[in-house]
Amino acid sequence: GAVVSQHPSRVICKSGTSVKIECRSLDFQATTMFWYRQFPKQSLMLMATSNEGSKATYEQGVEKDKFLINHASLTLSTLTVTSAHPEDSSFYICSAREDRGNYGYTFGSGTRLTVV
Amino acid sequence: GESVGLHLPTLSVQEGDNSIINCAYSNSASDYFIWYKQESGKGPQFIIDIRSNMDKRQGQRVTVLLNKTVKHLSLQIAATQPGDSAVYFCAENIRYTGNQFYFGTGTSLTVIP
Repeated sequence: GAVVSQHPSRVICKSGTSVKIECRSLDFQATTMFWYRQFPKQSLMLMATSNEGSKATYEQGVEKDKFLINHASLTLSTLTVTSAHPEDSSFYICSAREDRGNYGYTFGSGTRLTVV
Repeated sequence: GESVGLHLPTLSVQEGDNSIINCAYSNSASDYFIWYKQESGKGPQFIIDIRSNMDKRQGQRVTVLLNKTVKHLSLQIAATQPGDSAVYFCAENIRYTGNQFYFGTGTSLTVIP
């Protein structure tokens, strides 16, 4: 089945630094990928839709300059949390939509970001 | 639309019993729904989906019911097993807004052996 690899699974960074999270579709092409954020014991909140070769579409209230998204190929999207602060600590999850077949959505295993 | 950051409701069931998890949505333009299972520290896992032109869909041990009149979705798990313990989310896609999905609040299911 379709597999999405998300890296790193855990990261701890100092306040003020930037962190890049990668989302790769391993055995399928995905023109469209999605980035979610999840706080403990809460639901997934859609942050942005990542489109290969074009600018990402951000949900209302999500800072574009804070969460930089790059979707440079059909199998890779990256989310960079810039100038991270403790309130950015969260579980970040990506999903990828298959370009062909049943156009299914597959989620990565998530990245636990802790900003100290 | 968007998910609301509320704390998760919980459901406890005995092993072997049937579980029913509910989800309400508000947008009448939502036309595609997916149920996901999420275990602690992991990404969501697809369970079953249903489109708005259907009322019911069955999978292996799972059934999804859709009531468009009251904008309600339910997931029924037959003969619940300890491995079913997880958080369950419904996610909706809103017609003509793109391919993105918005997640509901979620329900934490605990199966008692």
